[in-house]
Amino acid sequence: AQSVTQLDSQVPVFEEAPVELRCNYSSSVSVYLFWYVQYPNQGLQLLLKYLSGSTLVKGINGFEAEFNKSQTSFHLRKPSVHISDTAEYFCAVILYGGATNKLIFGTGTLLAVQP
Amino acid sequence: DGGITQSPKYLFRKEGQNVTLSCEQNLNHDAMYWYRQDPGQGLRLIYYSQIVNDFQKGDIAEGYSVSREKKESFPLTVTSAQKNPTAFYLCASSIRTGGNGYTFGSGTRLTVV
Repeated sequence: AQSVTQLDSQVPVFEEAPVELRCNYSSSVSVYLFWYVQYPNQGLQLLLKYLSGSTLVKGINGFEAEFNKSQTSFHLRKPSVHISDTAEYFCAVILYGGATNKLIFGTGTLLAVQP
Repeated sequence: DGGITQSPKYLFRKEGQNVTLSCEQNLNHDAMYWYRQDPGQGLRLIYYSQIVNDFQKGDIAEGYSVSREKKESFPLTVTSAQKNPTAFYLCASSIRTGGNGYTFGSGTRLTVV
């Protein structure tokens, strides 16, 4: 069965520092991969997605993620964070070519940017 | 602009009352979903529908019901059988293959007192 693991429930970081949010998945077949961001009391907004092609994916707000098939990882990075990046971040997968298109979410990582 | 509209944003109900949460999309998406979010527990799938007049239970369907009479609409009813209904509810939609991910509404925070 598919699963998504976000290894860190919270990541504190100082403003203008780099950050990496980790995501690993388990699947015996190919998957589509996504990162979403959720600000307090709001819905989820798509940051970026990997469907195929280049393993380095660039998204909105200066975020990027790298797909590593051998390590089954899809870590999210930003070279310099801002206070406004404080939010919860969710990694998610969909089974490629599956009978349903259910999105499997990780449990989320709270990014707390401190001045 | 296309999107998903959830209403109301905040909802208060007395214990034992049924309540219906609205979700409407104008993205022409075939599939729609309802999630429940509790602090520290991520998102849990309640129900989903891939086509009009058809829907399936998710991981935590007990105490909830849905209907899909129109492509654009997927209302969720929280019944009195749901033992702990206070939560943040998120509706989403997608194309049938899911390859573009989901588009989410802004959520409804339900408080039962």
